[in-house]
Amino acid sequence: QKEVEQNSGPLSVPEGAIASLNCTYSDRGSQSFFWYRQYSGKSPELIMFIYSNGDKEDGRFTAQLNKASQYVSLLIRDSQPSDSATYLCAAPHALNFGKGTSLLVTP
Amino acid sequence: EAGVAQSPRYKIIEKRQSVAFWCNPISGHATLYWYQQILGQGPKLLIQFQNNGVVDDSQLPKDRFSAERLKGVDSTLKIQPAKLEDSAVYLCASTISGQGNSEQYFGPGTRLTVT
Repeated sequence: QKEVEQNSGPLSVPEGAIASLNCTYSDRGSQSFFWYRQYSGKSPELIMFIYSNGDKEDGRFTAQLNKASQYVSLLIRDSQPSDSATYLCAAPHALNFGKGTSLLVTP
Repeated sequence: EAGVAQSPRYKIIEKRQSVAFWCNPISGHATLYWYQQILGQGPKLLIQFQNNGVVDDSQLPKDRFSAERLKGVDSTLKIQPAKLEDSAVYLCASTISGQGNSEQYFGPGTRLTVT
């Protein structure tokens, strides 16, 4: 089983701060990663996809992939209370999901 | 574009009973997935179909779970007999292809409670 590990949190940040979510993976063959957001009681929705080393930015979200360290992260700038959710990291093969990190943005 | 449809949305059964879930993927999506998500955990893949063929069912408890996608469109997942630990949300997802960078679209899920 190809493992994807995340800290379950909860991670609490004040409104307007940067939230940093991290994920490590065991399969060196993994070439790309997805970040999904899941609100309580809802299904996961894709927010970012990254396949190359370095950073990928989309609005307030930045995904970072470091294949040498087998590490992928998601930064959320100017965090809003509406960002409060569980963030799931996933490797493509059968979308092997981490357990998710719960983020709470406090007003 | 209609999304992934699932039914029922909620189901409560007693242990040892059987239950079936239905999923209709987005039109034209060849790949269909069933996931089990236990409260507080990430989704766990149960089975992946490419058209009407099984690609991966390595994590499907085959002694009690079965799934089919006979015509390569909609799919059913069955549990027989159910156990207490089967209480979870069952998510169906689909993609255009099974390629690694294809975005998965999830249905609303079926919340199963086994008492």
